[in-house]
Amino acid sequence: QQQVKQSPQSLIVQKGGISIINCAYENTAFDYFPWYQQFPGKGPALLIAIRPDVSEKKEGRFTISFNKSAKQFSLHIMDSQPGDSATYFCAASKGVTGGGNKLTFGTGTQLKVEL
Amino acid sequence: EAGVAQSPRYKIIEKRQSVAFWCNPISGHATLYWYQQILGQGPKLLIQFQNNGVVDDSQLPKDRFSAERLKGVDSTLKIQPAKLEDSAVYLCASRRWGSGYEQYFGPGTRLTVT
Repeated sequence: QQQVKQSPQSLIVQKGGISIINCAYENTAFDYFPWYQQFPGKGPALLIAIRPDVSEKKEGRFTISFNKSAKQFSLHIMDSQPGDSATYFCAASKGVTGGGNKLTFGTGTQLKVEL
Repeated sequence: EAGVAQSPRYKIIEKRQSVAFWCNPISGHATLYWYQQILGQGPKLLIQFQNNGVVDDSQLPKDRFSAERLKGVDSTLKIQPAKLEDSAVYLCASRRWGSGYEQYFGPGTRLTVT
């Protein structure tokens, strides 16, 4: 059962443009929604994250928009740069008995920013 | 602060052979995770440790996969015997207890089973 659906699978954006990646989730128990950035040969790195009591969070050129009623959230990359070319994963998390949290990842979006 | 360390970085084995991966988390991080990332997919959690105890291993194929974290620090993940479908990147992540939900990932071990 895929609990987090991500689209598009790939995205090509011109330098300076806006990149938008969308995710939808099913489980209303999720209480933390991070976005990870992964470069080839590297592990995922946290980019930005949001809690469901907030509708938007902005950090530099990166913004998460969150729609709790629709169970959807999206990542917006403003003024996209070639250095942003990477694979982006959305994820959703809930706490687990015994401590910690369990991340469920989307399938990833391969972003390419062209000059 | 040093990041999550993993070794080896690459491993090629034949099916039915065994393989082991090693992970050293960030110092002081009590929670450790092993993920499997198949090409073109997002990471999938295999097992979560809190110190040296297992919190969640519901998605670990226990007939062939095993993991341990004996002293609550570094951890090993073993596959025996390997199948072709085990070809993937195996990621280790760690998290500081009580610091929120951020997980820090290592570079991964790319396993190819031929």
